[in-house]
Amino acid sequence: KAGVTQTPRYLIKTRGQQVTLSCSPISGHRSVSWYQQTPGQGLQFLFEYFSETQRNKGNFPGRFSGRQFSNSRSEMNVSTLELGDSALYLCASSHNRIRGGEAFFGQGTRLTVV
Amino acid sequence: DQQVKQNSPSLSVQEGRISILNCDYTNSMFDYFLWYKKYPAEGPTFLISISSIKDKNEDGRFTVFLNKSAKHLSLHIVPSQPGDSAVYFCAANGETGANNLFFGTGTRLTVIP
Repeated sequence: KAGVTQTPRYLIKTRGQQVTLSCSPISGHRSVSWYQQTPGQGLQFLFEYFSETQRNKGNFPGRFSGRQFSNSRSEMNVSTLELGDSALYLCASSHNRIRGGEAFFGQGTRLTVV
Repeated sequence: DQQVKQNSPSLSVQEGRISILNCDYTNSMFDYFLWYKKYPAEGPTFLISISSIKDKNEDGRFTVFLNKSAKHLSLHIVPSQPGDSAVYFCAANGETGANNLFFGTGTRLTVIP
């Protein structure tokens, strides 16, 4: 069973540009969540999509957006990149509600903004 | 505002001894607590969880303890093995049914052979 796949693994972008990251969840999983990991901040929740609808949203500016397709694959977009957006972006997939169950994470996309 | 805190950035333990990783939280509405382990260049992997209605959950060498009155949980690893060396994240599941996990900043565990 294939795991969660995130592409690309590494990205270097310039301030002001925009970027799109992709996440393919485990087959059969309909929930995809996105997290930003920065040193000293841990993982911070960005948003969650379920059946093509945003179900939850974290406390990030509107420059961060996402979407989910009918095959459950998800993309997140960051517009007008800032230096502080440099981080590891992780996505996690699950069937539906995690509660005490596990979410499966991808390896992440390392974004560097210069 | 960090609702889940791991105040020890690192911990070193001898192989075979007990590792105790600690986590504190502020939101009494959390209903599940989870531990994830992360190796370099990999995503976090689920380790163990506990419901807020329990005070202990055990899975092999891993035991999680929850003290609701103190808003504190801990992960015990006995015996510790070199392969346990990784960053451990404590996480809490927010409002009932939501999938947003609140993570601590992680504790890097080093098990010395």
